[in-house]
Amino acid sequence: KQEVTQIPAALSVPEGENLVLNCSFTDSAIYNLQWFRQDPGKGLTSLLLIQSSQREQTSGRLNASLDKSSGRSTLYIAASQPGDSATYLCAVRDWSGNTPLVFGKGTRLSVIA
Amino acid sequence: DGGITQSPKYLFRKEGQNVTLSCEQNLNHDAMYWYRQDPGQGLRLIYYSQIVNDFQKGDIAEGYSVSREKKESFPLTVTSAQKNPTAFYLCASSSERAEQYFGPGTRLTVT
Repeated sequence: KQEVTQIPAALSVPEGENLVLNCSFTDSAIYNLQWFRQDPGKGLTSLLLIQSSQREQTSGRLNASLDKSSGRSTLYIAASQPGDSATYLCAVRDWSGNTPLVFGKGTRLSVIA
Repeated sequence: DGGITQSPKYLFRKEGQNVTLSCEQNLNHDAMYWYRQDPGQGLRLIYYSQIVNDFQKGDIAEGYSVSREKKESFPLTVTSAQKNPTAFYLCASSSERAEQYFGPGTRLTVT
């Protein structure tokens, strides 16, 4: 059964710092991997989707990489801002049919001004 | 605007009552999902539907029921059999194996 782990569970950084959030998964036979952001009391917002054939995706200050063979993905946030403070979740979709996403528990990020 | 709507945003019920949470999408997605989120816990899958008139149990289906009579709609009923119904409920949809989108959520409080 696929398991997704995100480390660290919480992270606090000063404004302007570049940072990396980590995601690992146990079964490398994935179809795609998706990164989400969740603000308190809100739904999830999709940030980046990486297909299994891709190595990375970029959107603005965000860059997500995927290494299927090692079961790892990283989300790089450049020049962090207080508005980046949120919980970031990683999720994978398996090859075994139209299965639902499997989520990690998230990393809670605080960017201090 | 295309998206997913959930109503109401906040819902209060007395213990022992069934309650139905609404989820509607206009993204023309085939698949729809219901998740539950509790403080300090990750998202847990309740039910999902890959096509109209068909749905599957997720990890925590006990005490919940769903229907999928229309492509756009996937209502969730929280029954009196659900022992701890107070939670934040999230609905989502996706096209086959593609990007998944979420609604704004419904916070249910049962007293």
